[in-house]
Amino acid sequence: DAEITQSPRHKITETGRQVTLACHQTWNHNNMFWYRQDLGHGLRLIHYSYGVHDTNKGEVSDGYSVSRSNTEDLPLTLESAASSQTSVYFCASSDIAGGPYNEQFFGPGTRLTVL
Amino acid sequence: AQSVSQHNHHVILSEAASLELGCNYSYGGTVNLFWYVQYPGQHLQLLLKYFSGDPLVKGIKGFEAEFIKSKFSFNLRKPSVQWSDTAEYFCAVNTGGFKTIFGAGTRLFVKA
Repeated sequence: DAEITQSPRHKITETGRQVTLACHQTWNHNNMFWYRQDLGHGLRLIHYSYGVHDTNKGEVSDGYSVSRSNTEDLPLTLESAASSQTSVYFCASSDIAGGPYNEQFFGPGTRLTVL
Repeated sequence: AQSVSQHNHHVILSEAASLELGCNYSYGGTVNLFWYVQYPGQHLQLLLKYFSGDPLVKGIKGFEAEFIKSKFSFNLRKPSVQWSDTAEYFCAVNTGGFKTIFGAGTRLFVKA
């Protein structure tokens, strides 16, 4: 069955360190998204991509970067981790066939703690 | 700015009780509406969605939602909840493009 996997599932790091969260999907979807989930804020979009070599900033992109070198992967990098980036991170993908209104399929999430 | 409001952050119900979770959005144009659910330890998954047509949408597991354009609302309902409905529910709105705005979520706990 097609799926989205994220790794690691849990990560503890220190302020100032660079951290990369992996996202891999086997749906063959063109659209991929990164969200962070914080209490009281729901899911907020960090970055998104609608194809290889395409990346776009979401509403909370400061301090984060992504790159898309193939269809399956969209790694999220925290250039210099800050305590404010302690959160649960979700990766999602959707099919281009229905455009951006299509259902998004989510990964299991990565819980990141920045000390 | 566009936003989605979910009125209840926590809801506790007994089994067989009826459920209604509120969702309001702020956008005057055409919208596409979603409810997602996250069961404990599982991924977020789509519960139901509205794009056009009949404003009463039926989803999985007996859930339904009604789009009321005049009230900018898309409330989720279920006539009789079960213990297995314990989860966090997210309302989401897409107003065009690739950006989908999520509400803060409602945590539902159903007592057996």
